[in-house]
Amino acid sequence: NAGVTQTPKFQVLKTGQSMTLQCAQDMNHNSMYWYRQDPGMGLRLIYYSASEGTTDKGEVPNGYNVSRLNKREFSLRLESAAPSQTSVYFCASRPKLRTNYNQPQHFGDGTRLSIL
Amino acid sequence: AQSVTQLDSQVPVFEEAPVELRCNYSSSVSVYLFWYVQYPNQGLQLLLKYLSGSTLVKGINGFEAEFNKSQTSFHLRKPSVHISDTAEYFCAAYFGNEKLTFGTGTRLTIIP
Repeated sequence: NAGVTQTPKFQVLKTGQSMTLQCAQDMNHNSMYWYRQDPGMGLRLIYYSASEGTTDKGEVPNGYNVSRLNKREFSLRLESAAPSQTSVYFCASRPKLRTNYNQPQHFGDGTRLSIL
Repeated sequence: AQSVTQLDSQVPVFEEAPVELRCNYSSSVSVYLFWYVQYPNQGLQLLLKYLSGSTLVKGINGFEAEFNKSQTSFHLRKPSVHISDTAEYFCAAYFGNEKLTFGTGTRLTIIP
């Protein structure tokens, strides 16, 4: 099925370890996003990429880096994981239509990350 | 500052009863509003959207929402809920830029 694919689905890390969360979309969307979801806080934007070759910080970027590898792929890297980064991470994408820029975002199923 | 507020963190409702989930926003610019649903251990799925035009918006699974500019609200309603509607519901908005701002979510629990 077409959509947003995230890997891995689950991961357990030790404090200080690094890892990269992968995201790919096959809908030819221009914009891609990374969010974290924590209980009682909704979804908070970590980083986004409005188009291939550009990235910008969101609400909670500290401790993360991103790479927009090509139009399809947008990865999120934790260089030195901390327990405060235990969360569920969602990737999303959306088209940019000439008729209306405010199209909804499409979400992946998430990566559940625990840092011990 | 622009924001989205969902005042009810949890809403219990008996099966086949009506439900309203409240969403209010604060903005001095044009706003585009969405409701998403998240079933357990899944991603977010779009229920409905308001971009322009008619203020009453119909979505999937029998849900609808009404955009009220004077009250800065976008409440979600369903006339008769089912067990399968048990999920968390998020209101979200674009405030004239690339970033989607989310409310903190409302957990809807259906009581048999």
